[in-house]
Amino acid sequence: NAGVMQNPRHLVRRRGQEARLRCSPMKGHSHVYWYRQLPEEGLKFMVYLQKENIIDESGMPKERFSAEFPKEGPSILRIQQVVRGDSAAYFCASSRNRGETQYFGPGTRLLVL
Amino acid sequence: GNSVTQMEGPVTLSEEAFLTINCTYTATGYPSLFWYVQYPGEGLQLLLKATKADDKGSNKGFEATYRKETTSFHLEKGSVQVSDSAVYFCALSDGGYTSGTYKYIFGTGTRLKVLA
Repeated sequence: NAGVMQNPRHLVRRRGQEARLRCSPMKGHSHVYWYRQLPEEGLKFMVYLQKENIIDESGMPKERFSAEFPKEGPSILRIQQVVRGDSAAYFCASSRNRGETQYFGPGTRLLVL
Repeated sequence: GNSVTQMEGPVTLSEEAFLTINCTYTATGYPSLFWYVQYPGEGLQLLLKATKADDKGSNKGFEATYRKETTSFHLEKGSVQVSDSAVYFCALSDGGYTSGTYKYIFGTGTRLKVLA
């Protein structure tokens, strides 16, 4: 049973470009969480989605960041007009049902030049 | 609000030494507690968990007991190996009491280095 998949694993962008991060949850999981890990820090919650719905985006910056989890296909975290401060590791986690254990993907390491 | 506090690292031990990494939490309601391990350049792997007071989670020789009276979930291992070198994160799930989200709140992580 494949785990949570994220791609790309590494992404380099110049300031002002867009970054798209993809997350495919584990088979049978319909709940997706995104977290951000800044260098030498713990993970911080960003957004929680179920299929086609954003349930909680209280951890998302108000501007430039958006997330979706369409009926078909992976969840996407989109960062527009990236800045150096967006450089971080972005982790996706999935669970089968709300409140169940979350399983994490390998992360996407974003570097903004 | 809910929070997790971990002991600062790095922790450096010799092989076969006893390991304790302290973790305390603040939460409303009845959170579930977790330890995750992150090896260099990789994602987080669930190490163990406990869902109610006095539960003991264990895996691969690691143990942690959910202590409600001291709001703690300290990670222990009797004899560490070089392969245990990693960053360890304590986390809680807020159980939906504050947000209905069950999002995880993580500590800042403790880096463990085990020397041969």
